[in-house]
Amino acid sequence: QLVLTQSPSASASLGASVKLTCSLSSGHSSYAIAWHQQQPEKGPRFLMKLNSDGSHIKGDGIPDRFSGSSSGAERHLTISSLQSEDEADYYCQTWDTDIHAVFGGGTQLTVL
Amino acid sequence: QVQLVQSGAEVKKPGSSVKVSCKASGGTFSSYTISWVRQAPGQGPEWMGSIIPIRGRANYAQKFQGRVTITADKATRTAYMELKSLRSEDTAVYYCARADSWGSLVYFQHWGQGTLITVSS
Repeated sequence: QLVLTQSPSASASLGASVKLTCSLSSGHSSYAIAWHQQQPEKGPRFLMKLNSDGSHIKGDGIPDRFSGSSSGAERHLTISSLQSEDEADYYCQTWDTDIHAVFGGGTQLTVL
Repeated sequence: QVQLVQSGAEVKKPGSSVKVSCKASGGTFSSYTISWVRQAPGQGPEWMGSIIPIRGRANYAQKFQGRVTITADKATRTAYMELKSLRSEDTAVYYCARADSWGSLVYFQHWGQGTLITVSS
């Protein structure tokens, strides 16, 4: 069964970098995913789509501070030069022909 | 520029139904997948179902089969999600999202602002 696993929380200091991880379940390591950001009290916002080879395309207006990478079954979102507005929940999402849309449990990022 | 504007918040009684609308502007409407995703308080997003307006047939998550109906009106560029037999656990923010494809990945590039549905007696 297709499952996306994310750490529930992460924290990093203002101006630092942080790397968030989304792990694909066994047998699904080739899947591409999307990253979405949800700031407090707001709806989700598409950040980027990320392929298994690390190639990624960001959404309109997404700063260069956001980048993606892949390693095996892991998909990463790296945010550099952290700003206060980056404090948010981050969700990975993919698609399966049987189950259709699947979301990870989300990582709550705290900017210290 | 694609924009999805949803109908306003509602309070419903247990056992009743709710119908949420999602009006699209900008871009193409009929040939893209419109999905409905809900988010209960403190929880992550949960996909409910999708429709491609030009095809008219919707797909639903197994969890909601028989209780949810997704439709689309091409003339008004509006999608609808109706949820029946409401219970307190259906209290959530409901989002519509326009999906795009990238190879085999279907992802949500554009999101509505969300509609809070509160189910309470």
